[in-house]
Amino acid sequence: KAGVTQTPRYLIKTRGQQVTLSCSPISGHRSVSWYQQTPGQGLQFLFEYFSETQRNKGNFPGRFSGRQFSNSRSEMNVSTLELGDSALYLCASSFRQPSYEQYFGPGTRLTVT
Amino acid sequence: GQQLNQSPQSMFIQEGEDVSMNCTSSSIFNTWLWYKQDPGEGPVLLIALYKAGELTSNGRLTAQFGITRKDSFLNISASIPSDVGIYFCAGHRAGGTSYGKLTFGQGTILTVHP
Repeated sequence: KAGVTQTPRYLIKTRGQQVTLSCSPISGHRSVSWYQQTPGQGLQFLFEYFSETQRNKGNFPGRFSGRQFSNSRSEMNVSTLELGDSALYLCASSFRQPSYEQYFGPGTRLTVT
Repeated sequence: GQQLNQSPQSMFIQEGEDVSMNCTSSSIFNTWLWYKQDPGEGPVLLIALYKAGELTSNGRLTAQFGITRKDSFLNISASIPSDVGIYFCAGHRAGGTSYGKLTFGQGTILTVHP
């Protein structure tokens, strides 16, 4: 069974631009969660989508948004990029019920200049 | 911010030695998960724990869910060079709306000298 895939793997953007990242979960998984990983803050939860609805949200500004499609694929968008948004963005999928186990993709490395 | 205190922050060991790391929290957790992350990759799930007191093994790895539900530890026996990486504890807090949200520890950087 194929794992979680994320595209693109690397991205360089300029401050003020916006960016969209994509995640395809493991086949059969209906929950997709997004995390931001930085050296200073570690792994921080962004949000979780299940059945096309956002079920949970972390403490990030409204510039960070996401959505989930009927096939469970998910996208996250960051608008008006800031230098501090440079990070590894990780997507994780799970069955959600009853399993709490989340399986991560390789991540998208975003660099904002 | 981080709600899990993971220690040690880093370890330098010789091949063949055993390793132990732990995670503690001031909050009760329903689930404890242990992940390993290699450079440039996403975390890989090693072990999942669901019940207080549960002890689970995966090859040379053994993890336990603390009785108080506020801590967990991971042991690696007879370390080998490919054990190098960053190990993270993670968990789901009990109650509230944190169902789909994992809280992570700061990570333990493991270096194994041949």
